[in-house]
Amino acid sequence: QSALTQPASVSGSPGQSITISCTGTSSDVGSYNLVSWYQQHPGKAPKLMIYEVTKRPSGVSNRFSGSKSGNTASLTISGLQAEDEADYYCCSYVASSPVVFGGGTKLTVL
Amino acid sequence: QVQLQESGPGLVKPSQTLSLTCTVSGGSVSSGGYYWTWIRQHPGKGLEWIGYIYYTESTSYNPSLKSRVAISVDTSKNQFSLKLSSVTAADTAVYYCARGGGGVTRAPYYFEYWGQGTLVTVSS
Repeated sequence: QSALTQPASVSGSPGQSITISCTGTSSDVGSYNLVSWYQQHPGKAPKLMIYEVTKRPSGVSNRFSGSKSGNTASLTISGLQAEDEADYYCCSYVASSPVVFGGGTKLTVL
Repeated sequence: QVQLQESGPGLVKPSQTLSLTCTVSGGSVSSGGYYWTWIRQHPGKGLEWIGYIYYTESTSYNPSLKSRVAISVDTSKNQFSLKLSSVTAADTAVYYCARGGGGVTRAPYYFEYWGQGTLVTVSS
């Protein structure tokens, strides 16, 4: 199972909004509304930010939102803050695996 | 609050078996609906799912590692463990244990709780 495709890096200024894309196939992202997103700061464990495409776990800021269209899922962060600078990974359910991760995107807050 | 903590040797020799244990607190490995999972991250790289165990002791493994992986659970100690045999330098990674959720499937599709991770280096 091939990894989901994410941009290697994105950047934005404080207060702005950014979107990270996650492209899969009709076998994973396109077939299930079971995409999750993780934030990882250097040297730390990943943190669940979004699950089931749009749902936020308790305690996650509403500045983080998820969406999906066809084979591509997206994570949008609004009102960018310095603390949002981290690596972000998407993950999708796939029946044969059961999960496949994206390669990760480094977010830089300028 | 569920907490997970990995433990085990940080250095393993090539061809030997890597053994890690994950101790769970604030929750029970005997609870249905959750999948006790191992995930690894090679240095500077992305996340790779290794496998999981359900409280029924049903397991599933990444096909690329299946021949070398075994995950078990010890309900008396509220722990689950990973064994990876015949390791090489390519198995050097940070290993995470995590609790997977899967409300609409019979497999995990998101990971809400993670251990802090443990670096395992394969070297002679």
